[in-house]
Amino acid sequence: DTGVSQDPRHKITKRGQNVTFRCDPISEHNRLYWYRQTLGQGPEFLTYFQNEAQLEKSRLLSDRFSAERPKGSFSTLEIQRTEQGDSAMYLCASSLARQEAFFGQGTRLTVV
Amino acid sequence: GQNIDQPTEMTATEGAIVQINCTYQTSGFNGLFWYQQHAGEAPTFLSYNVLDGLEEKGRFSSFLSRSKGYSYLLLKELQMKDSASYLCAPYYNQGGKLIFGQGTELSVKP
Repeated sequence: DTGVSQDPRHKITKRGQNVTFRCDPISEHNRLYWYRQTLGQGPEFLTYFQNEAQLEKSRLLSDRFSAERPKGSFSTLEIQRTEQGDSAMYLCASSLARQEAFFGQGTRLTVV
Repeated sequence: GQNIDQPTEMTATEGAIVQINCTYQTSGFNGLFWYQQHAGEAPTFLSYNVLDGLEEKGRFSSFLSRSKGYSYLLLKELQMKDSASYLCAPYYNQGGKLIFGQGTELSVKP
């Protein structure tokens, strides 16, 4: 297993467009997390899954953000009608319950 | 929120010892992770404490006091490559989610 992979690594989009990011976790991990990180800040929790069930979504997250994890394998994070404030690094991590999370290299989103 | 508090920045000298403190909300607390993040890279796991006391792993040690809602990361024999952000991340039973503090930016100088 090569670890957690995210695609794409970089995305530049125009304001108002929709974007979708993909995360492939470590295969035996049942937990998958999405975070957003801006310069100088720690990762901000967005949502997480246990298998295919989305257990929690941050109250800070607007309805423009949605995530799925069909069949409990890979996950997608979609942002609709992007805004300049959405520019950030989007990190995905996976783990077994109550064990350390392993992070992907992230998708850097720039909204112009 | 989980009220995670850690210093924003610290500076130390190569070869010295530095302690990075973290306080957090104790309600529903399960355990605490420390991660290291170099600029432009993803966070990497350093340690996980569940029980009170000190866990030592090479040059890095991590301490936990569950009753006080307090942890620290101790880095010994500092090297230039230790310059990075150190993230305190308590794990809570309720919801089972992993929450990160803002990170402590450590600069190691010659």
